[in-house]
Amino acid sequence: NAGVTQTPKFRVLKTGQSMTLLCAQDMNHEYMYWYRQDPGMGLRLIHYSVGEGTTAKGEVPDGYNVSRLKKQNFLLGLESAAPSQTSVYFCASSEKLAGGPLHGELFFGEGSRLTVL
Amino acid sequence: AQKITQTQPGMFVQEKEAVTLDCTYDTSDPSYGLFWYKQPSSGEMIFLIYQGSYDQQNATEGRYSLNFQKARKSANLVISASQLGDSAMYFCAMREPNNAGNMLTFGGGTRLMVKP
Repeated sequence: NAGVTQTPKFRVLKTGQSMTLLCAQDMNHEYMYWYRQDPGMGLRLIHYSVGEGTTAKGEVPDGYNVSRLKKQNFLLGLESAAPSQTSVYFCASSEKLAGGPLHGELFFGEGSRLTVL
Repeated sequence: AQKITQTQPGMFVQEKEAVTLDCTYDTSDPSYGLFWYKQPSSGEMIFLIYQGSYDQQNATEGRYSLNFQKARKSANLVISASQLGDSAMYFCAMREPNNAGNMLTFGGGTRLMVKP
């Protein structure tokens, strides 16, 4: 049972290069998220998606783009990487919680460590 | 303003003792959910425990319990009988209603180190 899978796990980029992080989930979840984790700042939401074909900005969206062409996949792109984007990136997914309780945890991937030189 | 504040960047606890990790939150909604996650050195995020704002009792899951004080807007995690494997980063998070994406807002985390 894979859950949430992120690729690649590690990547080193030079300033100005582009790359795409892939997230795949096999739990048929409606909602998917990309967070970045930086020391002392916890996890901050970059972008999220509430369903196939939809995306929305989170707290720190600048410099990133996302796409959700298939329900199970959520891609995070960096068009022109900057050293400030050196971070650990986490993808997560959750069930749709339309109305009702606020319970329902996020299921996370193992993280992708990106270094921009 | 920070929605989730964890004031302890790092803490030590002796093995087999109990430890409390602090979390305060800020919301004007009467309905919300509070979560704790554990992140061991291997990096994955592990869900530990959930508390709903209307839950009558404090949440418990094995050795984890949540000391929920609504009036003080605090949701401290209590780990009883600490084990070496409890050494990790711990994150408090909140979900508010009217949140189109059901996302969680996280605190900065507390690094717990268990001493043998």
